[in-house]
Amino acid sequence: DADVTQTPRNRITKTGKRIMLECSQTKGHDRMYWYRQDPGLGLRLIYYSFDVKDINKGEISDGYSVSRQAQAKFSLSLESAIPNQTALYFCATTRTHYEQYFGPGTRLTVT
Amino acid sequence: QKEVEQNSGPLSVPEGAIASLNCTYSDRVSQSFFWYRQYSGKSPELIMSIYSNGDKEDGRFTAQLNKASQYVSLLIRDSQPSDSATYLCAVRHLNTGNQFYFGTGTSLTVIP
Repeated sequence: DADVTQTPRNRITKTGKRIMLECSQTKGHDRMYWYRQDPGLGLRLIYYSFDVKDINKGEISDGYSVSRQAQAKFSLSLESAIPNQTALYFCATTRTHYEQYFGPGTRLTVT
Repeated sequence: QKEVEQNSGPLSVPEGAIASLNCTYSDRVSQSFFWYRQYSGKSPELIMSIYSNGDKEDGRFTAQLNKASQYVSLLIRDSQPSDSATYLCAVRHLNTGNQFYFGTGTSLTVIP
């Protein structure tokens, strides 16, 4: 079984809809991250969490919110989706001071 | 100035050759350095991590770090068509809460 899972893997939604992307990990890592990836722009950090009570904004948090329900679960919400939020979204985890491991990604299309 | 810069490529090498990928970073207090491989539409996969100056070898891959020059590179020996992918350089900064910063990636094509 995969150590970091993301659901859904693909999603098409309409402008203005609320959508939640979910991430779960079985690696026992304390730190979790949400990134989006756009062609030519690389990976950009949206939010990150060092534990259940510690959530921080990243480079591009506007229009997004997160919830760390447990050490193993970190959800990303788009309260009112807009077309320029169409992107590939990745969840990642890490232990303190170590490398990041990525989930398989969610391809989100907002029409 | 971007935190991490990579030549976007594309870089093309013949099968069996050495592919050399380069990365520079802006923050002198960066602590850790990583190379990821990403196939189109897939998630980044960790190849190498390097924490101190010098070379680190793992199979066909060698990472090189020069903190004085703020430069990290990845060499792929005996390149195979399956190495064709985008390679992402990542840097972890101690002074920004251990955030990771990624380059935009270098596209590598290995020609059979």
